[in-house]
Amino acid sequence: AQSVAQPEDQVNVAEGNPLTVKCTYSVSGNPYLFWYVQYPNRGLQFLLKYITGDNLVKGSYGFEAEFNKSQTSFHLKKPSALVSDSALYFCAVRGLPSGGSYIPTFGRGTSLIVHP
Amino acid sequence: DADVTQTPRNRITKTGKRIMLECSQTKGHDRMYWYRQDPGLGLRLIYYSFDVKDINKGEISDGYSVSRQAQAKFSLSLESAIPNQTALYFCATSDQGYSEAFFGQGTRLTVV
Repeated sequence: AQSVAQPEDQVNVAEGNPLTVKCTYSVSGNPYLFWYVQYPNRGLQFLLKYITGDNLVKGSYGFEAEFNKSQTSFHLKKPSALVSDSALYFCAVRGLPSGGSYIPTFGRGTSLIVHP
Repeated sequence: DADVTQTPRNRITKTGKRIMLECSQTKGHDRMYWYRQDPGLGLRLIYYSFDVKDINKGEISDGYSVSRQAQAKFSLSLESAIPNQTALYFCATSDQGYSEAFFGQGTRLTVV
């Protein structure tokens, strides 16, 4: 079975500093990896994805993520955090089909708090 | 208009009542999902459907049922609501490839 781990419930960073939100995964075969963001009282919004190719993926709002196959990680990064980046972040994986299906599995979420 | 619309947005219901949460989408996707979000537990899959005739249980389907009335509509029912079903419920859609999922704004359900 596929799984996603987000080891930090909360990440605190000062505005202007770089941020990292960690994600590790377990899946059979090649993974398809995603990051989503959830603002208060809103649904999840897609940020970026890794399917194949370059290990560094760039997405919305200046976010990027680095795929590391040997460490089975897909950490979310941003060079300079903004207060408006404060939100809940979810990592997700879609692995090889089990019975022919790609079902997205989500991590528990990491709350990012950016302090002014 | 939103691509994925959930109704109602908020609902308070009593224990033992039947309740239906509705989801409609304009993305034209075949795949639709219902997730439940609880603090600290992330999103857990309740049911998913790959087309109108294909409905599958997720990891936490007990106490829930679904109906795929059309490609664009996927409803979640709680036959007899209980307090531990109090949660935020999300509907999502995706296509058959490697694309991301698109989420509705969620339904906040409280069972008292």
